[in-house]
Amino acid sequence: DAKTTQPNSMESNEEEPVHLPCNHSTISGTDYIHWYRQLPSQGPEYVIHGLTSNVNNRMASLAIAEDRKSSTLILHRATLRDAAVYYCTRRGFGNEKLTFGTGTRLTIIP
Amino acid sequence: NAGVTQTPKFQVLKTGQSMTLQCAQDMNHEYMSWYRQDPGMGLRLIHYSVGAGITDQGEVPNGYNVSRSTTEDFPLRLLSAAPSQTSVYFCASSFSQGPYEQYFGPGTRLTVT
Repeated sequence: DAKTTQPNSMESNEEEPVHLPCNHSTISGTDYIHWYRQLPSQGPEYVIHGLTSNVNNRMASLAIAEDRKSSTLILHRATLRDAAVYYCTRRGFGNEKLTFGTGTRLTIIP
Repeated sequence: NAGVTQTPKFQVLKTGQSMTLQCAQDMNHEYMSWYRQDPGMGLRLIHYSVGAGITDQGEVPNGYNVSRSTTEDFPLRLLSAAPSQTSVYFCASSFSQGPYEQYFGPGTRLTVT
């Protein structure tokens, strides 16, 4: 399985942007990059996914490097409710199995 | 839509007992999967299914059985519970054949004594 690498933890101040990095140097050309987050005592929830172009939705933005070996999840204005563990993973056609690493624990400082 | 539902929410078993964790979804998703999450750890894939009648092993399948007789249901069976199986179990589902997002259930917290 292709692996993803993320920092174990990050901190950010409330109302500031947060950039969460992920390395996926062995990702296949047809795999999409997915991000999920897990709030305390809850199941994971989908955040965003993309293939090559940068993507935006109501929760976050995803910036994908041109060589696709890394990506960055951007929370534009962090709130206390964004404190969670964020997981980067990949999924694509013919590769439906979704595995997770240990993720990045994001702490928001009021 | 109820989404992905799991029962029970909590369960305590004695070593050697068997039980089935239930998972159901009402979104007509072909793909379903089971994960376990140990305290302070990430999610590890136990088993998954890409459609009714088709199942496959994930990263940590030992001690668990699954079957998929309908699109909606994907039960996880513990044949002989061990303390090492104390964990929180999450079921998830999605459309298959593509990079679709996965929807997770609320989890079952299992303690084996």
